[in-house]
Amino acid sequence: AQKITQTQPGMFVQEKEAVTLDCTYDTSDQSYGLFWYKQPSSGEMIFLIYQGSYDEQNATEGRYSLNFQKARKSANLVISASQLGDSAMYFCAMREGPYNQGGKLIFGQGTELSVKP
Amino acid sequence: GAVVSQHPSWVICKSGTSVKIECRSLDFQATTMFWYRQFPKQSLMLMATSNEGSKATYEQGVEKDKFLINHASLTLSTLTVTSAHPEDSSFYICSASGLGDYGYTFGSGTRLTVV
Repeated sequence: AQKITQTQPGMFVQEKEAVTLDCTYDTSDQSYGLFWYKQPSSGEMIFLIYQGSYDEQNATEGRYSLNFQKARKSANLVISASQLGDSAMYFCAMREGPYNQGGKLIFGQGTELSVKP
Repeated sequence: GAVVSQHPSWVICKSGTSVKIECRSLDFQATTMFWYRQFPKQSLMLMATSNEGSKATYEQGVEKDKFLINHASLTLSTLTVTSAHPEDSSFYICSASGLGDYGYTFGSGTRLTVV
């Protein structure tokens, strides 16, 4: 069965600095997808970045990049130049199976990020 | 981009009553809908998966007779919490996946309080 692990319940970062949020996963599938979401206190889920298991390049989206280490089964999120608005819960999630089969998305425990001015 | 409208955003109900939560995909066909619940400071726990026109598949430990899911069309899925109890108070959020789409579009969530 698939499993997602986030071992950092809470993280602090100084404004304008970079921060890495850890995520490890376990799956027996060859085809899977990894996602990061941001959840502010309002509860909405904001999609940040996606990495497919066959993607050779690490995904990047603006200030977000995903450090994909397939052999280690890790998919860490790097946020560069942190802003106060980045303070939120961050979830790593995994979809097993190919993207076009509508597989379920399973979430890690989450990391609460606080950005200090 | 894709939008899923979820209503109501919050609801307070009395113990023993039923509450219906709706999720509508506004600009795409949601072939698969996922329903999650989330307790404060915790992760999203998948409750069930539903495909349009089919019975929902419930995760282990989720009572299917208590959490009724209907996905009658490609644009509408509903979750009904029957005979609600205070322990059902939680944040419920839906997520939709379309044909050939790698992503998931989330509704804005519903905060349910049972008194």
